[in-house]
Amino acid sequence: LAKTTQPISMDSYEGQEVNITCSHNNIATNDYITWYQQFPSQGPRFIIQGYKTKVTNEVASLFIPADRKSSTLSLPRVSLSDTAVYYCLVGDRGNTPLVFGKGTRLSVIA
Amino acid sequence: DAGITQSPRHKVTETGTPVTLRCHQTENHRYMYWYRQDPGHGLRLIHYSYGVKDTDKGEVSDGYSVSRSKTEDFLLTLESATSSQTSVYFCAIKDRANTEAFFGQGTRLTVV
Repeated sequence: LAKTTQPISMDSYEGQEVNITCSHNNIATNDYITWYQQFPSQGPRFIIQGYKTKVTNEVASLFIPADRKSSTLSLPRVSLSDTAVYYCLVGDRGNTPLVFGKGTRLSVIA
Repeated sequence: DAGITQSPRHKVTETGTPVTLRCHQTENHRYMYWYRQDPGHGLRLIHYSYGVKDTDKGEVSDGYSVSRSKTEDFLLTLESATSSQTSVYFCAIKDRANTEAFFGQGTRLTVV
């Protein structure tokens, strides 16, 4: 997997939009960008995946600039239940190890 | 939810004893992974498998071995458990590259 860098932690108030940016300067042409969310005492779960431009689903949006060297996960109007660790992964090629790193710990405050 | 089951869910064992954790899937997914999670270290990959009898080491493989004799089962063995292996262990499965990985509910292992 390509090396990724994301903030260790972030705080936000309820109702705000939260943007978590991940840097991946060594992303390869065929690499997708995938984000996972992990609640305490649970395994991570898939949130969103994209290759370029913008992807949106019912949970989040993923913005990817033209050079694809970074990506931003956007969570609209967060609630207390969005408090979790968010992981950015780049370069899942199947036979390669799926490494999660430490992720970004998001704390939502009332 | 994806059909992935870890057993046991909780285990307490003594230092020096062998321990085997099982990950069982009903999805026929090719890739399987074992992770451990400890405070301050995030999720660390122990071993992974890309097919029956095809396994490889991850970031923290020392003290662990794995086996995958059939598609649905991926076993993680601690040959001689140590207190440093007290952790929460997660198994994950994935169908192919660039697809969603599904995680089990975790196994909390305590080595005393």
